[in-house]
Amino acid sequence: AQTVTQSQPEMSVQEAETVTLSCTYDTSENNYYLFWYKQPPSRQMILVIRQEAYKQQNATENRFSVNFQKAAKSFSLKISDSQLGDTAMYFCAFMKHNNAGNMLTFGGGTRLMVKP
Amino acid sequence: DAGITQSPRHKVTETGTPVTLRCHQTENHRYMYWYRQDPGHGLRLIHYSYGVKDTDKGEVSDGYSVSRSKTEDFLLTLESATSSQTSVYFCAIAEGRSYLSEAFFGQGTRLTVV
Repeated sequence: AQTVTQSQPEMSVQEAETVTLSCTYDTSENNYYLFWYKQPPSRQMILVIRQEAYKQQNATENRFSVNFQKAAKSFSLKISDSQLGDTAMYFCAFMKHNNAGNMLTFGGGTRLMVKP
Repeated sequence: DAGITQSPRHKVTETGTPVTLRCHQTENHRYMYWYRQDPGHGLRLIHYSYGVKDTDKGEVSDGYSVSRSKTEDFLLTLESATSSQTSVYFCAIAEGRSYLSEAFFGQGTRLTVV
């Protein structure tokens, strides 16, 4: 079974600064996907960024980028130029594809507060 | 936005009563999932479905049952609700044909068992 660990329950950052959220995972799989989801107070789950395990290049989406270290099983999220709207819970998730579809295993979450 | 609707959005029920949560999709996706969200645990998989009448257990399935009689609907039933089942419940759907298949989530149902 896979496990996903987010060691930072809460973090804060000043508006316009950069913050990095940590995530580690444990798996014996070689082919998998990793995700970061954002959950604002509305409870909606929003996909922020995804990374294919077989790709060495780190994924980027505008102000969001990841540092994927496959050997270390580490998948951190960097948010640049933080905005007030980035305030939310952030979940790291692992996915493998099998006959049961694309089941996600989530970390416990990091609550991020962006301060003006 | 993916067409996925959960009902009800909020519910308060008494211990020992049966409760059914509904997930309805308009995307014709094959896979449907029920997760529960609790502080410190993130989202944990309760049950999932990989087709009509095809379901299986997830990580935290005790006390829950599911049914999927048609592609668009996936029901989660708490046969006899307990306070430990107070949580936020999310339904998710996925096409599932490849690693590229993104999961889409409903808006969640906040269930309180008193």
